[in-house]
Amino acid sequence: AQKITQTQPGMFVQEKEAVTLDCTYDTSDPSYGLFWYKQPSSGEMIFLIYQGSYDQQNATEGRYSLNFQKARKSANLVISASQLGDSAMYFCAMRERNTGFQKLVFGTGTRLLVSP
Amino acid sequence: KAGVTQTPRYLIKTRGQQVTLSCSPISGHRSVSWYQQTPGQGLQFLFEYFSETQRNKGNFPGRFSGRQFSNSRSEMNVSTLELGDSALYLCASLRGDQSTDTQYFGPGTRLTVL
Repeated sequence: AQKITQTQPGMFVQEKEAVTLDCTYDTSDPSYGLFWYKQPSSGEMIFLIYQGSYDQQNATEGRYSLNFQKARKSANLVISASQLGDSAMYFCAMRERNTGFQKLVFGTGTRLLVSP
Repeated sequence: KAGVTQTPRYLIKTRGQQVTLSCSPISGHRSVSWYQQTPGQGLQFLFEYFSETQRNKGNFPGRFSGRQFSNSRSEMNVSTLELGDSALYLCASLRGDQSTDTQYFGPGTRLTVL
């Protein structure tokens, strides 16, 4: 079964607008972490934001926020005030306690294109 | 603080050869994990090392192996290369002792097998 699902292969947004990238997950482990990474064309995976399963509040990091809806098993990334440099692939990933701290399971990614 | 470094950045090999990729984690990080990224399979976990011990392994054939040294630097080796091994190989490091630790990735090594 797919553990991380990103249903949007591509998204377009105009500069300075907000955009939401969807991510749903599947796990029976009560302890897990959810991550978003950005991958520009250079290939490097850049960490954006983390949400723990027991965190009471949605995570925020600058222009990035995570809309965490535990009952729906969704962890959508919201990018506010998009910039041209935000154009990249975005990956949602999950780490479960019962598979160890290190193993990340990734979704298929969403390609975001920001237009002027 | 210096980030994760990977060498080489690009590599071209032929089928049947073997290859060794290197990863130096962030200073103070004791854990290194490796991922393979291909257009068809996406990002897949290869293995993880913590304090020189393999702590977790993904579903890859035995041709893929790795090790970690006492200074936390890690190498992964692929023997008897196949065309399907062409991929971006990413290394990630984290402190490794907290469940909330974040993995930080290096720039990757792009391997092409001809």
